Amino acid sequence: AQSVAQPEDQVNVAEGNPLTVKCTYSVSGNPYLFWYVQYPNRGLQFLLKYITGDNLVKGSYGFEAEFNKSQTSFHLKKPSALVSDSALYFCAVRPTGFQKLVFGTGTRLLVSP
Amino acid sequence: DAGVIQSPRHEVTEMGQEVTLRCKPISGHDYLFWYRQTMMRGLELLIYFNNNVPIDDSGMPEDRFSAKMPNASFSTLKIQPSEPRDSAVYFCASSLAGTGYEQYFGPGTRLTVT
Repeated sequence: AQSVAQPEDQVNVAEGNPLTVKCTYSVSGNPYLFWYVQYPNRGLQFLLKYITGDNLVKGSYGFEAEFNKSQTSFHLKKPSALVSDSALYFCAVRPTGFQKLVFGTGTRLLVSP
Repeated sequence: DAGVIQSPRHEVTEMGQEVTLRCKPISGHDYLFWYRQTMMRGLELLIYFNNNVPIDDSGMPEDRFSAKMPNASFSTLKIQPSEPRDSAVYFCASSLAGTGYEQYFGPGTRLTVT
């Protein structure tokens, strides 16, 4: 089965510090991986994706993600967190041969001033 | 681009009533997805369409739920009759085949069934 796991329900980080939100995946074939962010009372917003190429993918708002095939991980990172980054973050994978995405359970990021 | 449009943004109804949620995808997109989000179950894919044709409705919880896409610019999700456990935020998303598979979400409809 094709799935993603987000092992942390919540991540706490101080403003200015680097942040990492973890994601591991299980997929047959080449993985298509995504990160989305959801702010309160809003829809999910696309942040970045990995399909092929460079393992370090850069996205919106200064976020980046590192694809690691051997560890089947796709962790979201940002060098310096902002209070405004506080939100719910979802990792997703595209099952091979389908257009749909399978989403993780989400990780709440809290950035304290 | 206006993005994905959903209406209404909020809906409060009584148990047993019919509820219709509406979605306008991004112009030119050929895939449309309906999701439900709750605290208990997270984000669930209910159904998705390709070129107005339902492809996978395995996530539709019961026969009380139905979805249609009469044309490329409009889709509905109907619940009849509604029950309190249907209370959730319902999202519509759209995507374009061959462009990388990312989906673009609407703002959602918050449904409360009393």
